Amino acid sequence: GDSVTQTEGLVTLTEGLPVMLNCTYQSTYSPFLFWYVQHLNEAPKLLLKSFTDNKRPEHQGFHATLHKSSSSFHLQKSSAQLSDSALYYCAPTHTGYQNFYFGKGTSLTVIP
Amino acid sequence: EAAVTQSPRNKVTVTGGNVTLSCRQTNSHNYMYWYRQDTGHGLRLIHYSYGAGNLQIGDVPDGYKATRTTQEDFFLLLELASPSQTSLYFCASSEADWASYEQYFGPGTRLTVL
Repeated sequence: GDSVTQTEGLVTLTEGLPVMLNCTYQSTYSPFLFWYVQHLNEAPKLLLKSFTDNKRPEHQGFHATLHKSSSSFHLQKSSAQLSDSALYYCAPTHTGYQNFYFGKGTSLTVIP
Repeated sequence: EAAVTQSPRNKVTVTGGNVTLSCRQTNSHNYMYWYRQDTGHGLRLIHYSYGAGNLQIGDVPDGYKATRTTQEDFFLLLELASPSQTSLYFCASSEADWASYEQYFGPGTRLTVL
């Protein structure tokens, strides 16, 4: 079945340094990949999703590139901000399948 | 923007108690979902539905029932609550659009089973 592996546990970064959160997946089908972000005491919400035409999605300075050859969809940002501190979920799905399989999440803390 | 509401926002019950969590979405989405969120486990799907009267089993269904009474309303039922069901519960909804697949989450219900 489908599965996803994220950078585990807690990631602490100093403000201004680059962010990279790993996501690799296993899927029988060609998946769509999503990143969701959840700030403290809030609900998860969509951050990025992959495109069918291989364009690189970008939002709020974050971007991710779907690499089918390595089954990866890593989340990147050139310069971390304090407001980026949150829990990040990678979630694959595929056409004809209405469910996401959310990874265990990566907690990012950005310090001054 | 899609609106999903949940009630109650906080609930405390005792072991063996009967609990119903409610979710309403006002955007005519076909799909609705119940998740639980626990540290170290992330978001795990309990049940979901693709329309009124429909119910599908998720990944962690044991101890939970659900019912979709209308397009808008989806309920999660814990008939004999146990401490292991202490968690943060999220409801979500989405369109039946394979090209979109974005899920909109409610604010969550924190359940404590003593």
